Amino acid sequence: GENVEQHPSTLSVQEGDSAVIKCTYSDSASNYFPWYKQELGKRPQLIIDIRSNVGEKKDQRIAVTLNKTAKHFSLHITETQPEDSAVYFCAASRDSWGKLQFGAGTQVVVTP
Amino acid sequence: GAVVSQHPSWVICKSGTSVKIECRSLDFQATTMFWYRQFPKQSLMLMATSNEGSKATYEQGVEKDKFLINHASLTLSTLTVTSAHPEDSSFYICSAETGGSRTEAFFGQGTRLTVV
Repeated sequence: GENVEQHPSTLSVQEGDSAVIKCTYSDSASNYFPWYKQELGKRPQLIIDIRSNVGEKKDQRIAVTLNKTAKHFSLHITETQPEDSAVYFCAASRDSWGKLQFGAGTQVVVTP
Repeated sequence: GAVVSQHPSWVICKSGTSVKIECRSLDFQATTMFWYRQFPKQSLMLMATSNEGSKATYEQGVEKDKFLINHASLTLSTLTVTSAHPEDSSFYICSAETGGSRTEAFFGQGTRLTVV
C-alpha cells in the first residue's frame, strides 16, 4: 500500500519568514495530494491540493509543488503569520478524494 | 464548503460498553464515507471505507467485529465501538467525498472517545 513520509516533524519560524514541508510517497499510481491544517482538537482543514497532471499550484501565500518522477511534493508557506501555527499533514491518494494516506504531520510554530 | 457533522463531539464510556458515533452529510449526498482514528499527537489513520448500502471495507489490522460500520442512507454513516477498552480511547473522525464540481473530502468535527 501507499506510504507517505513527512519532514520535518516540527518547524519553528520567525513571523514573516517562509516555511517548507516535504513529503515523499511510495505508490507511483497516487494522483491526488492534498495538504491539511489541523488545530488542536479540531477537524483537518484542506488548505491546498494538487493533482498529478500539475507540477505546481499556488493560492496566495501557500504553494505546493509536485515531482512525480522523484515521488515527492512540498508545501511552501510564505510571509508566515502567528495564525499559521498548527499541525500540517500531507496526504496521498489514488483515484479518491477521501481515501487518504496521511503523513506523520509537522508542528509549525510561528513566533512573532 | 460542504458540511459534515459528527455526533457526539466527545463521549466517556465504561470499559466493556459500546459507543455509537454518527457522521452526517448535511447538504449533500455521500455514497462513500471514511472513518479515521487519530491518537494524541499522531497522524490520521484510515480505519475503513463506508459505502452506502453495502458492507464497509476495513483497512488491514482493523477489527471489523469491534468497529461496526453502518451506512444505511446517503447522508448517514455510523461507527460503533463495541466492548470498548481504554486502548480504544482516541479521536475518531469521519469524512465524506463530495461529487460534482466539488472534488474534495470534508471532515466531521471529530469525536473524542475516552474509555474508563
